[in-house]
Amino acid sequence: AQRVTQPEKLLSVFKGAPVELKCNYSYSGSPELFWYVQYSRQRLQLLLRHISRESIKGFTADLNKGETSFHLKKPFAQEEDSAMYYCALVRAGTASKLTFGTGTRLQVTL
Amino acid sequence: DTGVSQDPRHKITKRGQNVTFRCDPISEHNRLYWYRQTLGQGPEFLTYFQNEAQLEKSRLLSDRFSAERPKGSFSTLEIQRTEQGDSAMYLCASGGGQNIQYFGAGTRLSVL
Repeated sequence: AQRVTQPEKLLSVFKGAPVELKCNYSYSGSPELFWYVQYSRQRLQLLLRHISRESIKGFTADLNKGETSFHLKKPFAQEEDSAMYYCALVRAGTASKLTFGTGTRLQVTL
Repeated sequence: DTGVSQDPRHKITKRGQNVTFRCDPISEHNRLYWYRQTLGQGPEFLTYFQNEAQLEKSRLLSDRFSAERPKGSFSTLEIQRTEQGDSAMYLCASGGGQNIQYFGAGTRLSVL
């Protein structure tokens, strides 16, 4: 069975500070990893996926198969980054279900 | 809005009643997913359609739950004999290529 763990329910950082949202997964096969974000009163939306290897809104995430991690990072937090962040996994090469973590609320304060 | 739309946005019902939710996916997407989200949790998979075929169902989907996608376009999720434990946000997502899912705003169900 596949599982995604986000150990922090809440992460509070000051504006301009670095951000790291942790995500670990367990899956016996080859996974595809995603970060989804939900801003206040908005729907869940894709932030980034590991295979695209791009930076979105200053965020990056690297898949570390040895540590089975997919941590989300940003060097300088902005107020508009405050949101709920979910890490999710799907079997690579399939159009199957997403398995989500429980989410981390990022709070960026002045 | 050309995204995924869900109706209704909110539903309040009494225990034991039946409810039905509708999801209209992005028009060119052939995949449609239903998820359920409770407070403090991430979305949990319920079921998945490719065109009109229901390809996967979660064990969470008890026999009181049924989903259809009759013409491969919109989908309905029905819950019969609702229970208080069914109170949740029900999310629909659709997907085309690249394994990306696009989510609707959800239907919030409250069972009294």
